[in-house]
Amino acid sequence: QSALTQPPSASGSPGQSVTISCTGTNSDVGGYNYVSWYQQHPGKAPKLVIYEVTKRPSGVPDRFSGSKSGNTASLTVSGLQAEDEADFYCSSYAGTNNFWVFGGGTKLTVL
Amino acid sequence: QITLKESGPTLVQSTQTLTLTCTFSGISFSPHGVGVGWIRQPPGKALEWLALIYWDDDRRFRPSLRTRLTITKDTSKSQVVVTMTNMDPVDTATYYCVHTNSGYYPLNWGQGTLVTVSS
Repeated sequence: QSALTQPPSASGSPGQSVTISCTGTNSDVGGYNYVSWYQQHPGKAPKLVIYEVTKRPSGVPDRFSGSKSGNTASLTVSGLQAEDEADFYCSSYAGTNNFWVFGGGTKLTVL
Repeated sequence: QITLKESGPTLVQSTQTLTLTCTFSGISFSPHGVGVGWIRQPPGKALEWLALIYWDDDRRFRPSLRTRLTITKDTSKSQVVVTMTNMDPVDTATYYCVHTNSGYYPLNWGQGTLVTVSS
């Protein structure tokens, strides 16, 4: 069982927006502004798309955005494109003991 | 440009010790906060952080695996090595080497290496 809770699946049609949630506790998501999101295509390594809750690495389209409220973080993908179809994982810093915790992953399907 | 590449056995027997090497480039093991670590992913399952070593040799381990893991670095060879003792079939996974420039999240990832544990 993963430390962070994500919905197993999400879907949307091309051009639509979809939001994926990630729920943790006061010891991780709620306690630090160090939530990150990773996109993983089949057979590939995860790729960072959001860090520190809202920031985008260079090269990541601004269609990807992040937010947080309390113990729940969210990733929104706007203007869905076929290439966005992938697994998405959230992660949070959880202090010097548990360090990095992950969600169980959400499979995003572009209909 | 930062690159990381994992190497090691693809198959290990139960109870054996796994040794994986991460060879990196483009990483200067300073300043504070910079580290290289390991994350694994069992087939079809979620990511799981294992261990991290900082620029100053400070180390962090997943609490549930602390007694089985060691991590070292050799900056002259641009390598980080992780060992995991007493391997079990449940340890079958793709093992990723990762780099952090802050200590708060993995930034760059290697391609991963699949390790299968046979009983």
